[in-house]
Amino acid sequence: QKEVEQNSGPLSVPEGAIASLNCTYSDRGSQSFFWYRQYSGKSPELIMFIYSNGDKEDGRFTAQLNKASQYVSLLIRDSQPSDSATYLCAALNDYKLSFGAGTTVTVRA
Amino acid sequence: NAGVTQTPKFQVLKTGQSMTLQCAQDMNHNSMYWYRQDPGMGLRLIYYSASEGTTDKGEVPNGYNVSRLNKREFSLRLESAAPSQTSVYFCASISLYSNQPQHFGDGTRLSIL
Repeated sequence: QKEVEQNSGPLSVPEGAIASLNCTYSDRGSQSFFWYRQYSGKSPELIMFIYSNGDKEDGRFTAQLNKASQYVSLLIRDSQPSDSATYLCAALNDYKLSFGAGTTVTVRA
Repeated sequence: NAGVTQTPKFQVLKTGQSMTLQCAQDMNHNSMYWYRQDPGMGLRLIYYSASEGTTDKGEVPNGYNVSRLNKREFSLRLESAAPSQTSVYFCASISLYSNQPQHFGDGTRLSIL
């Protein structure tokens, strides 16, 4: 079992809609969680990180963490065509940073 | 500019050849990582170094070795390259106590014939 699992894509949403991305992790010792965006042919770039239960908002992005359910999510509000990319979830456990396989999001104009 | 620098950006090797991928960061981060990325498989952790002087295996360490030369530099070596090691390799550094907690290098595209 992979340490980090993401909902399979691809995910297609209309412009202006909310894109919802989900991630689960297997190791309860994981302390911090990260969401990255990766454009084709580019390196991943950090969007948000979260380490406390609850919601964390940054602009159009909201990360949600539920440690009891071992679940992390990312909401993208008012989706734009520039949000079309692969989104990677990662979990940090005692310096070991593990990634999920990613979910590809396409925002339709 | 602050960040993570990887060299080379592209490399073609023959099966059995060896090479070292270089990575350097100038953000004074303690932890550094090597990943490989294959289509549809996300980033798989090869090795990581929590701090200078320590290294640990990740998910896919077989066929690789690493050296944390100092706080800035973390190299990845392929002793005897195999076609299965054809991939894009990313180096990253992290510090949770920094305003910019994580950076990735631009990647090395490695093909093994």
